[in-house]
Amino acid sequence: DFVMTQSPDSLAVSLGERATINCKSSQSVLYTSNSKNYLAWYQQKPGQPPKLLIYWASIRESGVPDRFSGSGSGTDFTLTISSLQAEDVAVYYCQQYHNTPYTFGQGTKLEFK
Amino acid sequence: QVQLVESGGGVVQPGRSLRLSCAASGFTFRSYGMHWVRQAPGKGLEWVALISYDGGNKYYLDSVKGRFTISRDNSKNTLYLQMNSLRAEDTAVYYCAKEKEEYSGYGPGFDYWGQGTLVTVSS
Repeated sequence: DFVMTQSPDSLAVSLGERATINCKSSQSVLYTSNSKNYLAWYQQKPGQPPKLLIYWASIRESGVPDRFSGSGSGTDFTLTISSLQAEDVAVYYCQQYHNTPYTFGQGTKLEFK
Repeated sequence: QVQLVESGGGVVQPGRSLRLSCAASGFTFRSYGMHWVRQAPGKGLEWVALISYDGGNKYYLDSVKGRFTISRDNSKNTLYLQMNSLRAEDTAVYYCAKEKEEYSGYGPGFDYWGQGTLVTVSS
């Protein structure tokens, strides 16, 4: 199975500052046949289901603010929030969909400093 | 608008069974792969099962293989999860989730989720 490891487990950032969350896969999630990375990022706020933010590692879902961006390839990925807003406090998860089981990272809790 | 509404959760004793349902609306249900994802209290997300758009392909988390069965009724726009031989470690909120692309089964991600239904396995 693909093991997804996020770092850090928690992160405190000031309003307006940059937040960076890392995700490392135990195996490459890049399909060389189509050059796509089978990786998504989700945001989950308390008491709510997850919300898709990024897919194919770097494509923003419709309606997601452009302060959210995804990067990386192969086994190492990053979610960046360029300027933290109040509504961004949440837990963030990466997920690979290269192979079943479609494993998630353990989550990164983003808080205000 | 897309809606996914889970039902069927509750408190059940270890070893017993439960069937979850997910009623879908607002999209062409028969065209999309569907998933069940669970979240134990205070823990992270765990993918449980996938069924292809036509029900022809099914995949499971190893720890639920042989105990859980995912199915769908495209005439009723409903997804199911039959859970047998339940264990304490199956206690979680169970979400149904929709694949983002039609006829996929390989992503790219889950673009709509239900609000979840809580399953508690306890004697």
